[in-house]
Amino acid sequence: DAGVIQSPRHEVTEMGQEVTLRCKPISGHDYLFWYRQTMMRGLELLIYFNNNVPIDDSGMPEDRFSAKMPNASFSTLKIQPSEPRDSAVYFCASSLRTSGRSYEQYFGPGTRLTVT
Amino acid sequence: RKEVEQDPGPFNVPEGATVAFNCTYSNSASQSFFWYRQDCRKEPKLLMSVYSSGNEDGRFTAQLNRASQYISLLIRDSKLSDSATYLCVVNRHNFNKFYFGSGTKLNVKP
Repeated sequence: DAGVIQSPRHEVTEMGQEVTLRCKPISGHDYLFWYRQTMMRGLELLIYFNNNVPIDDSGMPEDRFSAKMPNASFSTLKIQPSEPRDSAVYFCASSLRTSGRSYEQYFGPGTRLTVT
Repeated sequence: RKEVEQDPGPFNVPEGATVAFNCTYSNSASQSFFWYRQDCRKEPKLLMSVYSSGNEDGRFTAQLNRASQYISLLIRDSKLSDSATYLCVVNRHNFNKFYFGSGTKLNVKP
């Protein structure tokens, strides 16, 4: 069974350019999360969706960041315009809320973004 | 105050050693607890959930102390392959937000 798929795996862009990161969650999962990881700040939750609806975007740094989930199998995170301080690894994760006690998250391989 | 706090380490131990990590969480409403493992330049992966009664998976034992609001992970008979960063994670079900600690780095030396 395929895990969470992210593309591209690496992205190098110049300051001011638009960047779009893509994610395909595990089929059947109803929660999708976008995280950013840096050495300084660790793993930060940016936004999460439930059944394609954004639930909490309080972690989105500023208006330059936007995320969409047009359907259950696809989500995008867009940065426009990009800045050097956006350089980080961006992870997408998905989970399935069940009646059980655990809500494990499964992570994609991440997109390593470098903004020069 | 951070939701989840961990000692960043690194913990440098010889093969075969027993090592323990602790993690504290600030919100008593937290209900689910996990340990994730992250290898260098890889994604975090679930190592084990942590249950109130404590649970064991091979060489790994996880404990939860709700009264003191801490979680522990014990690794017995350390292997070189255990070298990684271990992330403590807590979740409050009504928000379904996962709070990650900054991780504890473990280096197992031959």
